[in-house]
Amino acid sequence: DAMVIQNPRYQVTQFGKPVTLSCSQTLNHNVMYWYQQKSSQAPKLLFHYYDKDFNNEADTPDNFQSRRPNTSFCFLDIRSPGLGDAAMYLCATSRDGKALETQYFGPGTRLLVL
Amino acid sequence: AQSVTQPDIHITVSEGASLELRCNYSYGATPYLFWYVQSPGQGLQLLLKYFSGDTLVQGIKGFEAEFKRSQSSFNLRKPSVHWSDAAEYFCAVGKSVLTGGGNKLTFGTGTQLKVEL
Repeated sequence: DAMVIQNPRYQVTQFGKPVTLSCSQTLNHNVMYWYQQKSSQAPKLLFHYYDKDFNNEADTPDNFQSRRPNTSFCFLDIRSPGLGDAAMYLCATSRDGKALETQYFGPGTRLLVL
Repeated sequence: AQSVTQPDIHITVSEGASLELRCNYSYGATPYLFWYVQSPGQGLQLLLKYFSGDTLVQGIKGFEAEFKRSQSSFNLRKPSVHWSDAAEYFCAVGKSVLTGGGNKLTFGTGTQLKVEL
């Protein structure tokens, strides 16, 4: 029944060591999103894919990249994690880009940077 | 630019008591409004959404919300809270992103609900 799956649920990395978080979906949705949520804060959109088209938010640091090799999978790459990148990373999907479309969220990956 | 304000950071209610979580939004056009709930260590689950029609919206788990355009509010209510409702609640406003597709959700900072037994 899982619709948006994120692996791993917890990830520990070292300062400056590249890390990849993964997301997969069984909904066949066109749009996939990545959010960063720091402790006691609102989720903040980093970027999204509409099909194969990548759309970066203006204030997303260059350190964050994403790949979507097919409809089902999307990856978040952090090239050189800093201590400030420790957060929960949430993946979400929506069928299309209409404002009323529900976004379906995965359980998140909690990233710890040592 | 759209924005969402949730004025209450923490709320504590007794089990069985009624609940109202406040949400105010700022948006130039007709807003698309959402309430999500996040249990500890989990992702966000949609409770309900409003985009047109009846201003009183029913959601899952016995929640409802009322859209009041004159007050720019979309408050979430539940007549009788259960201990399992303890979680963080996020109000959000959505808009279509014309360039590149996708819709953009802008979240409030959330309200942490504690339920006393």
